[in-house]
Amino acid sequence: DVKVTQSSRYLVKRTGEKVFLECVQDMDHENMFWYRQDPGLGLRLIYFSYDVKMKEKGDIPEGYSVSREKKERFSLILESASTNQTSMYLCASRGLSRETQYFGPGTRLLVL
Amino acid sequence: QKEVEQNSGPLSVPEGAIASLNCTYSDRGSQSFFWYRQYSGKSPELIMSIYSNGDKEDGRFTAQLNKASQYVSLLIRDSQPSDSATYLCAVNEDFNKFYFGSGTKLNVKP
Repeated sequence: DVKVTQSSRYLVKRTGEKVFLECVQDMDHENMFWYRQDPGLGLRLIYFSYDVKMKEKGDIPEGYSVSREKKERFSLILESASTNQTSMYLCASRGLSRETQYFGPGTRLLVL
Repeated sequence: QKEVEQNSGPLSVPEGAIASLNCTYSDRGSQSFFWYRQYSGKSPELIMSIYSNGDKEDGRFTAQLNKASQYVSLLIRDSQPSDSATYLCAVNEDFNKFYFGSGTKLNVKP
């Protein structure tokens, strides 16, 4: 079974703090993704990566950056957290075939 | 802006009935279609994938795709209370670009 893990289930941060969200997958997948999920808006893609050190912007990259130094690990960075970044953050991974994405358990972030 | 539309619900059905969930999408170039189930506070999990027009059945679940009408649906037969969840429709065009609907909440009443 594919396993995608995220470093925290719940986080509380203050406005202006730098926030790191970590994601690790154990299936040697090339592709990894970060989404945020908000009520009524569905999942929106922030960034994805198709290889080590490679990244592409999704639909809502503003205020975020990412890092992929190793194949199994994909980090999302909030350079200066703001209250409008309070959300559920979901990491996912996907292999090279047409298969689905596999999601991690999610991190619920509250920015005060 | 690519759009995936779902009725937010809630859709309420009695136990044992057929639940019908619908999704429309805006991009005619979309190639792959997925249905995910998401329980409250949990992450999405794949129910069905479908790539070509017609029906695809897996146990109690049937996915239906009509590319001409830009429509994909999910039927759940013999609905159970454990099927109560939010169902997300996702559409994939470029290999790594997935577009999700906001989900339909399903309540199956015992």
